[in-house]
Amino acid sequence: DQQVKQNSPSLSVQEGRISILNCDYTNSMFDYFLWYKKYPAEGPTFLISISSIKDKNEDGRFTVFLNKSAKHLSLHIVPSQPGDSAVYFCAASRKGGKLIFGQGTELSVKP
Amino acid sequence: DAGVIQSPRHEVTEMGQEVTLRCKPISGHDYLFWYRQTMMRGLELLIYFNNNVPIDDSGMPEDRFSAKMPNASFSTLKIQPSEPRDSAVYFCASSGDRGLRSAQHFGDGTRLSIL
Repeated sequence: DQQVKQNSPSLSVQEGRISILNCDYTNSMFDYFLWYKKYPAEGPTFLISISSIKDKNEDGRFTVFLNKSAKHLSLHIVPSQPGDSAVYFCAASRKGGKLIFGQGTELSVKP
Repeated sequence: DAGVIQSPRHEVTEMGQEVTLRCKPISGHDYLFWYRQTMMRGLELLIYFNNNVPIDDSGMPEDRFSAKMPNASFSTLKIQPSEPRDSAVYFCASSGDRGLRSAQHFGDGTRLSIL
């Protein structure tokens, strides 16, 4: 029973364009969401988070959008850079609960 | 500031042997997490500690797995006896005063291969 799903295992984008990574969740009790980035042979690194009282959070080139009615969140990277090539994980939790991770989406940004 | 430090980075051992993975969290962090990453199940939480006390071990797959945190700067994850299906990358992470709502800082993982 996968409570957090990233349905696209991979995504390829041209440098300078927008990357959109998607994530769906099933548990309506989730109220805190995060995105992590992972390079090969390294641990995941925190990127950006959003709580359910917001529908958007922005940090530089990274913006996370939350659509609670659709139980969907997305990460936008604008403009995409080759150094953004990595695996991106979304994660969700409810109050007092542990983080549940999606399976990850591998982003490739081509020069 | 040193990040989360895990050792060893790689471990290859034969089925039936005891395996011990080690983790040093970021100084001052009160929460420590052990995760396992596999192709089939992705990144899953095994156990987490708060102030050195195990809080939730519901993710520990079976009695062959055990974890300890004898002090604030050290934790171990032990598998005894090990089996080939335990092969995975094991991550340790720590977080600060917002606990489960803090961003977790991950180590670079231990890649474990059980032959």
